[in-house]
Amino acid sequence: KAGVTQTPRYLIKTRGQQVTLSCSPISGHRSVSWYQQTPGQGLQFLFEYFSETQRNKGNFPGRFSGRQFSNSRSEMNVSTLELGDSALYLCASSFGGSGNYGYTFGSGTRLTVV
Amino acid sequence: AQTVTQSQPEMSVQEAETVTLSCTYDTSESDYYLFWYKQPPSRQMILVIRQEAYKQQNATENRFSVNFQKAAKSFSLKISDSQLGDAAMYFCAYKSGNAGNMLTFGGGTRLMVKP
Repeated sequence: KAGVTQTPRYLIKTRGQQVTLSCSPISGHRSVSWYQQTPGQGLQFLFEYFSETQRNKGNFPGRFSGRQFSNSRSEMNVSTLELGDSALYLCASSFGGSGNYGYTFGSGTRLTVV
Repeated sequence: AQTVTQSQPEMSVQEAETVTLSCTYDTSESDYYLFWYKQPPSRQMILVIRQEAYKQQNATENRFSVNFQKAAKSFSLKISDSQLGDAAMYFCAYKSGNAGNMLTFGGGTRLMVKP
């Protein structure tokens, strides 16, 4: 069974640009969550999607958005990039809608903003 | 809001020895779940062990076990017979049982294993 796949693995963007990251969950998993990991702030929750609906959102500005498609694949978009957006972005999926049995994470996308 | 604290930024252990990583959390909820995740240099977060708050029995997965003290809001991870492959960042995480499907992570503990 394939794991959670995130593309691309690495990305370098310039301030002011926008970026789209992709996440393909494990087959059959309908819940997809996104996290930002930085040395200073640690791991922070961005948002969670289930059946194409955003159910939860973390404390991030509106420049951060996402969506989920009917096949459960998810994308997150960051517009007007700032240097502080440089981070590892992790996607996680879970089989049920609750996540009570834990989440399976991908290897992340390392975004560098210059 | 819930908070998770890992007071040990770094720990080291000799191969084959036992090490305990600490985690405390703050919550007013009675229904929640606790997790330990391992993040090796490959960056992928790997679920190590899971504990349900309403279960008093401590969870165990092979060489990994937890000491769950609900009243003290403590959730430590014990790794027995440490192996070189155990070297990684370890994160403690909290999930509410009924208020949002999101994980709140601690700051992490870097575990080094000496041969």
